[in-house]
Amino acid sequence: AQSVTQLGSHVSVSEGALVLLRCNYSSSVPPYLFWYVQYPNQGLQLLLKYTSAATLVKGINGFEAEFKKSETSFHLTKPSAHMSDAAEYFCAVSEWGGSNYKLTFGKGTLLTVNP
Amino acid sequence: DTEVTQTPKHLVMGMTNKKSLKCEQHMGHRAMYWYKQKAKKPPELMFVYSYEKLSINESVPSRFSPECPNSSLLNLHLHALQPEDSALYLCASSLPKGENTEAFFGQGTRLTVV
Repeated sequence: AQSVTQLGSHVSVSEGALVLLRCNYSSSVPPYLFWYVQYPNQGLQLLLKYTSAATLVKGINGFEAEFKKSETSFHLTKPSAHMSDAAEYFCAVSEWGGSNYKLTFGKGTLLTVNP
Repeated sequence: DTEVTQTPKHLVMGMTNKKSLKCEQHMGHRAMYWYKQKAKKPPELMFVYSYEKLSINESVPSRFSPECPNSSLLNLHLHALQPEDSALYLCASSLPKGENTEAFFGQGTRLTVV
């Protein structure tokens, strides 16, 4: 089974600082990877997805992620954090579940942004 | 319309009650999902429906009974739940084919079992 590992359950940055959230995958074939964001008491919203068309993927709200096969990584970055970025972030991988594709999520990283 | 609508937003039920969660989407998606999310944990897949047929059941207890009456609706019937079933229940939908298609999530139903 494929899986993703998010390093760091909690990341704290200052407003205006670089955001870096880490995600590593374990897969013997090219994976399909996603980043989702969850604000308090909300559902999940897609930030971006990797589908092998390009290694650098741009998403919504100024986020981007780079797929690095040599490092089996798909880290999420944003050049300048905003207070509104405070949320839980999940990396996910799509895998075949026997009869349908399904998303499997990492444990999540809580991002706090300090003024 | 890129929305997945879940009702109710909050639900409190006793252990002997029967209740249902409802999910609706009008994006033409033919795959629909139920996820369970405990506090400070990632969503965990419960069920997948593809073309209105149950295709994945992740060994969920029978006190949770899913139903997909048509291509736009997904229900989760609840009966004789336990306090540990209290969680955020998320519905999602996607195109049924292709590993690179994203899932669209609803806002969830916050369930409390007393």
